[in-house]
Amino acid sequence: DTGVSQNPRHKITKRGQNVTFRCDPISEHNRLYWYRQTLGQGPEFLTYFQNEAQLEKSRLLSDRFSAERPKGSFSTLEIQRTEQGDSAMYLCASRGPTDTQYFGPGTRLTVL
Amino acid sequence: QKEVEQDPGPLSVPEGAIVSLNCTYSNSAFQYFMWYRQYSRKGPELLMYTYSSGNKEDGRFTAQVDKSSKYISLFIRDSQPSDSATYLCAMSPYTGANSKLTFGKGITLSVRP
Repeated sequence: DTGVSQNPRHKITKRGQNVTFRCDPISEHNRLYWYRQTLGQGPEFLTYFQNEAQLEKSRLLSDRFSAERPKGSFSTLEIQRTEQGDSAMYLCASRGPTDTQYFGPGTRLTVL
Repeated sequence: QKEVEQDPGPLSVPEGAIVSLNCTYSNSAFQYFMWYRQYSRKGPELLMYTYSSGNKEDGRFTAQVDKSSKYISLFIRDSQPSDSATYLCAMSPYTGANSKLTFGKGITLSVRP
């Protein structure tokens, strides 16, 4: 059990560019979550996958955001036409048969 | 009003002190309660979880839940400088399906040597 990994750890981009983040969950965890955390706030739910199916999306996930989990393993989160307000820590968590979610180290996005 | 409110910080205590961290919530559907610890620029790390009202102890940490008052607490005994971090309460309805977590905003604790 190597834990949840996320890449890159830090991404700096210019406004208007597209960015993609990757999350590798704990192996055999079929549930995967994305959260966003801004400075001084707790994480906020973005979206949830069970296996490859995206079952819930928060209203925070505008149409510039898209998430995928092909084959039910790793997941990607893409932000198109980034805005300065997208600057945040993007956290991925995975969950197995219990209710416990295990978080990765996060990807810190800075939009200039 | 947010679904989960956490006492504002920051909080600074001397080493060895007993620390009490508190959250209130408004959603009666919440059944699963957690405390996460987050070091600067790291992901949250699960400290404790509980489903029921009452106390749950793990070493120097005690989690307390009062569902009738919609109030949860985390107590840290004999606090250490290594406990300096941000503490987040989190909760979810126990549905067995998408148990998305709703977090408090976190409180930053500093334990002075």
